[in-house]
Amino acid sequence: GAGVSQSPRYKVAKRGQDVALRCDPISGHVSLFWYQQALGQGPEFLTYFQNEAQLDKSGLPSDRFFAERPEGSVSTLKIQRTQQEDSAVYLCASSPAPAGRRSYEQYFGPGTRLTVT
Amino acid sequence: AQKVTQAQTEISVVEKEDVTLDCVYETRDTTYYLFWYKQPPSGELVFLIRRNSFDEQNEISGRYSWNFQKSTSSFNFTITASQVVDSAVYFCALSERSAGANSKLTFGKGITLSVRP
Repeated sequence: GAGVSQSPRYKVAKRGQDVALRCDPISGHVSLFWYQQALGQGPEFLTYFQNEAQLDKSGLPSDRFFAERPEGSVSTLKIQRTQQEDSAVYLCASSPAPAGRRSYEQYFGPGTRLTVT
Repeated sequence: AQKVTQAQTEISVVEKEDVTLDCVYETRDTTYYLFWYKQPPSGELVFLIRRNSFDEQNEISGRYSWNFQKSTSSFNFTITASQVVDSAVYFCALSERSAGANSKLTFGKGITLSVRP
């Protein structure tokens, strides 16, 4: 079956522009995560959704970052007034079950590489 | 706070050599989960294995094997008879059960493995 897909794969934005990154999780997956991966680093958690509810946004680096998943499937990560430090790969992952009782493996998409010039 | 340390940054081996990737973790939870992911040059994180904290049985899967030792907080990964296709960045990750509704992953910085022909 289809895996997690993300679009666009590459995005170049001028500083100050707004960007929107899309994630299509595996069909039926309840949990959805966003991570940010800087060059040469491991992914770092940004936010978590269980269905349409955003249960944890503690990793969002500033109020310029906003995420939504209005119908419990597709999710969008929006970055307003982009800065150079926002340049990174943004990874989306989905998992089949609600988190909490056990930790299921997360299936990652290919990521969106954002470059802010 | 949870933490994952991958002290090795880059490893280079010749094809058919065995190689062990080290992972040390820190957590205050008694129940947690450990993962290994592979990130090939294409960029997509590929799930390799998940272990529960209460199951220290080591595992072998083909050329891969994992050594989990709670006494030393380590979860090491060995590739036997390495192949060029094993070249990738390997990440160790931790998820705590006490995170409740969010089983977010905390990643190490990754180990770049290069297998030369």
